[in-house]
This record gives sequence, C-alpha cells and structure tokens, in this order.
Amino acid sequence: AQSVTQLGSHVSVSEGALVLLRCNYSSSVPPYLFWYVQYPNQGLQLLLKYTTGATLVKGINGFEAEFKKSETSFHLTKPSAHMSDAAEYFCAVTPTGFQKLVFGTGTRLLVSP
Amino acid sequence: DADVTQTPRNRITKTGKRIMLECSQTKGHDRMYWYRQDPGLGLRLIYYSFDVKDINKGEISDGYSVSRQAQAKFSLSLESAIPNQTALYFCATMPGTGTTTDTQYFGPGTRLTVL
Repeated sequence: AQSVTQLGSHVSVSEGALVLLRCNYSSSVPPYLFWYVQYPNQGLQLLLKYTTGATLVKGINGFEAEFKKSETSFHLTKPSAHMSDAAEYFCAVTPTGFQKLVFGTGTRLLVSP
Repeated sequence: DADVTQTPRNRITKTGKRIMLECSQTKGHDRMYWYRQDPGLGLRLIYYSFDVKDINKGEISDGYSVSRQAQAKFSLSLESAIPNQTALYFCATMPGTGTTTDTQYFGPGTRLTVL
C-alpha cells in the first residue's frame, strides 16, 4: 500500500527566505508523486508532479521538487518565499497505473513580512 | 466558468437528515472522486467512479452513498447525517487515460456542518 508522511503541520518562514516542505513516501512499486496547494477557501490546485524521467521537477509559482528514490523523499522547495505563498500544501502518491491518490496530512505554510 | 462545480458550497443541517452534495464537470473526464478534508487528517477518499457503470468504495465509505447519473455528474449522499460528518467535501475529476498526463482536478469544495 502507498502512503505519504509530511513532516511538520505548520512551517513558518519570512518573506524572501527559502521554503522547504518535507514529504516522504512509502510504495512497493514505482510511484507517481504530486504536490497540491490549497489557498484559503479554495479547492486544491496541482503545483507539480513526478511520473518518470528527470527527478527534479519544476512547477508553477517558482516551486520545484526532487524525487530521491534512495531517501523515499519528494521535498518541495522555493528559493524565496512570497506572501502569496501562504497556503496549505499536500503531498500525494499513487502507484503507476494511477487509479487513486493517497494524500498526506498537509503542511500549512505561514509567511511573515 | 469553472470546469468542476459543486453545489451547495455551504450547508448546515441537523443530525438524522438526508443530504445530497452534487458535483458537475465540463472537462469530459471519465473518472470522478469524492474526498472529505478534516483538519490534521488531509484528504481521505470516500468513493470513486471510473465510468457511469463503475463505482468503488474508498477508505471511508461508511455512512455515505454515491450516484453517477451521467459522465458529467457524480453525487454524494449522506442518508442520515451525524455530527462527525462535519467536514469540507471535495469532488475531483481525472481523464483516465492511464498515462503520465493524468492529473486530478478539484472542485471548490462544499463545507458541511451537521448539528
């Protein structure tokens, strides 16, 4: 069975600082991995995904994530936080063949001036 | 216009009442999903459907039922609502091509409160 663990329910950064949101996965087969963002009072929006090929994946709004099989990780980063990045971020996994997603518990990113 | 719509957006009801949440999509996707979101628990899958004749239970289907009336419509029902079903409910759709282009697209959510 697949699962994801997101370390830290809340992460606080200052505007302009590095953003690092952690995600570790468990999968018995090669996984597809996703990061979604949820802005206040909105649905989830896809930030980026890893399926095959290049392990460094670039997404929208300057975010990127690196698939590290040896560490079973898919951490999300952004070099410089912006106030508009304040939101909740969800990591998700699915086995190849993609029938359904399994989500992590989410990390709320707080950005201070 | 939004590709995935949910009605109602907010609903307050009482214990024991029957509630239906509706989801419609104009994306032409075959696969549709219902999730609930609870603080600290992330999103959990309630039911999913790969086409009109295919309905599958997710990890937390007890107390819920669904109907796939057409490719574009997927409804979630709470036959007898209880307070611990208070949550934010999301519908999602996906093309279902079975390729790496598959991505789930989410509706705006329905906030349900059961008193």
